[in-house]
Amino acid sequence: QQPVQSPQAVILREGEDAVINCSSSKALYSVHWYRQKHGEAPVFLMILLKGGEQKGHDKISASFNEKKQQSSLYLTASQLSYSGTYFCGTEKGNKLVFGAGTILRVKS
Amino acid sequence: NAGVTQTPKFQVLKTGQSMTLQCAQDMNHEYMSWYRQDPGMGLRLIHYSVGAGITDQGEVPNGYNVSRSTTEDFPLRLLSAAPSQTSVYFCASSRTGLAGGTSGGDTQYFGPGTRLTVL
Repeated sequence: QQPVQSPQAVILREGEDAVINCSSSKALYSVHWYRQKHGEAPVFLMILLKGGEQKGHDKISASFNEKKQQSSLYLTASQLSYSGTYFCGTEKGNKLVFGAGTILRVKS
Repeated sequence: NAGVTQTPKFQVLKTGQSMTLQCAQDMNHEYMSWYRQDPGMGLRLIHYSVGAGITDQGEVPNGYNVSRSTTEDFPLRLLSAAPSQTSVYFCASSRTGLAGGTSGGDTQYFGPGTRLTVL
């Protein structure tokens, strides 16, 4: 079953912050985050592990709440280069199942 | 390293034709997988492999076959193409498989994709 991402789309101005949420109906062992720019392949951002700490990638960070079965991706002081579609992925045995994605557009 | 390579980049098929999408990686990764991407539906897992000789079904396996005779190659075969298989196909690989929590998985490296149209 796919994790659920929200919002479906968000438009920001440069310098604004955004939060993308990912939730699952099943217990989560880890959450993976990827970004895909238009016409390109998805690129890895980070993995959050059960019992692990919040991990960061430049001005992009994420949290993982195991009890609520949720993860959130925080984009701080957004840049034009942050535009793209963000996917969260959750593990189901040896399968990595992705959400439908959140389209992020940063305007100047 | 070339990373993950996919051929062809574009392909047009007629309904009922068969074809093989090629995927290769030169990073000695154990885990390889195939996804299809359709608008509004994200990336859906078709098949995956945890090592040479071992394959398993993903979320949407119907109409597709895979094999893994070597560590490097993981071809995806469409047996009898249908318009519903029009999509962008991505192959991915990672150093190890997903472990369901014990090690927390590994970075997936995606190939550039194959855009397939079935008429």
